Amino acid sequence: ETVLTQSPGTLSLSPGERATLSCRASQSISDNYLAWYQQKPGQAPRLLIYRASRRATGIPDRFSGSGSGTDFTLSISRLEPEDVAVYYCQQYGNSPPNNFGQGTKVDIK
Amino acid sequence: EVQLVQSGAQVKKPGESLKISCKASGHIFTNYWIGWVRQMPGKGLEWMGIVYPGDSETRYSPSFQGQVTISADRSISTAYLQWRSLKASDTAMYYCASETGIKAFDLWGQGSMVIVSS
Repeated sequence: ETVLTQSPGTLSLSPGERATLSCRASQSISDNYLAWYQQKPGQAPRLLIYRASRRATGIPDRFSGSGSGTDFTLSISRLEPEDVAVYYCQQYGNSPPNNFGQGTKVDIK
Repeated sequence: EVQLVQSGAQVKKPGESLKISCKASGHIFTNYWIGWVRQMPGKGLEWMGIVYPGDSETRYSPSFQGQVTISADRSISTAYLQWRSLKASDTAMYYCASETGIKAFDLWGQGSMVIVSS
């Protein structure tokens, strides 16, 4: 079973700053099948990034993903108030379960 | 419009059975994996399992194997999550989600709240 560990637990930044979220896997993820999701309060999650670095349909280009193997990063280049949410990574390349990380909460100062 | 529409909120007693549903529209239901994700109050997302409607193949997380049953009826483009005997600890929001060709969950239902209380 592949375990994902996200850091930090909470990130508090000012509007316009760059946010960098980390996701580390307990073993290498096959074909970099790593996704990032955004969940705003009271809403269902939304796919932001798939295959580690590909933006999903309709996602602004201030969101970007990078990494390979066991270390992955989600970056938000210029934080906006609407980006307040919890962000989850998920692996879907190794054998199930396709676990999620525990989440990183992004707040605006 | 491509969408997943889930059944409504349920309030049940411990020991009761329950089956919640997730109806797909706007895409070829049988071609893509569809799964269930649990979110307990104030907690993170937990991957429960997936089903391939084309042949009903299922895969479960060890944490949920034997605790729930995931199934699909391709004739009505609907996936299901079922419990035989609910526990208070099953109280949660349950999301269905599907991939539509990219393997990640790019399509999500609105969620079904399940409350189990005596």
